[in-house]
Amino acid sequence: EIVLTQSPGTLSLSPGERATLSCRASQSVSSSYLAWYQQKPGQAPRLLIYGASSRATGIPDRFSGSGSGTDFTLTISRLEPEDFAVYYCQHYGSSPITFGQGTRLEIK
Amino acid sequence: QVQLVQSGAEVKKPGASVKVSCKASGYTFTSYYMHWVRQAPGQGLEWMGIINPSGGSASYAQKLQGRVTMTSDTSTSTVYMELSSLRSEDTAVYYCARATVIVGFAYWGQGTLITVSS
Repeated sequence: EIVLTQSPGTLSLSPGERATLSCRASQSVSSSYLAWYQQKPGQAPRLLIYGASSRATGIPDRFSGSGSGTDFTLTISRLEPEDFAVYYCQHYGSSPITFGQGTRLEIK
Repeated sequence: QVQLVQSGAEVKKPGASVKVSCKASGYTFTSYYMHWVRQAPGQGLEWMGIINPSGGSASYAQKLQGRVTMTSDTSTSTVYMELSSLRSEDTAVYYCARATVIVGFAYWGQGTLITVSS
């Protein structure tokens, strides 16, 4: 099983700042199968990034993904008020599919 | 447009079973695998398993083997997830999610809260 470890656990930033979220895998993950999701309270997760760097339909270009092997990054270039939420990375290339434990992005 | 509509919240006693439904619309039901994911209160996301609606073959997370069963009904475009021998630790919001190998989990149901309490 691939274990995904996200850091930091909580990130406190202000609107307009840049956010960098990390996801580290316990073994090499094909970049084709690494995704990022955003989840707000009371809502289902929303796909942001798939294939490590491809934005899902309708996702603003301030969201970008990068990385390969065991280290992946989600970057939000300039935070908007609606971006404060919990973010999860996911490996979906093989069973079992696993998620990171999440990074909470909160308003400073 | 793609929609996944799940059944409503339920309260169950320990040891009971629950069956959650997920009705799909807006696409060809048999063309996409469906996954189930759960989230305990205040916790992260846990993958439960996958079902191929065409044929009904399913694969489950090892942790839930023997307690979970996923089925599909092509006549109503609905997938089901049944969890038996419920424990308090099964209290969670349960989601269905349509996925592809390329894009991942692009569409999610609204979630179904299952509370296990005596």
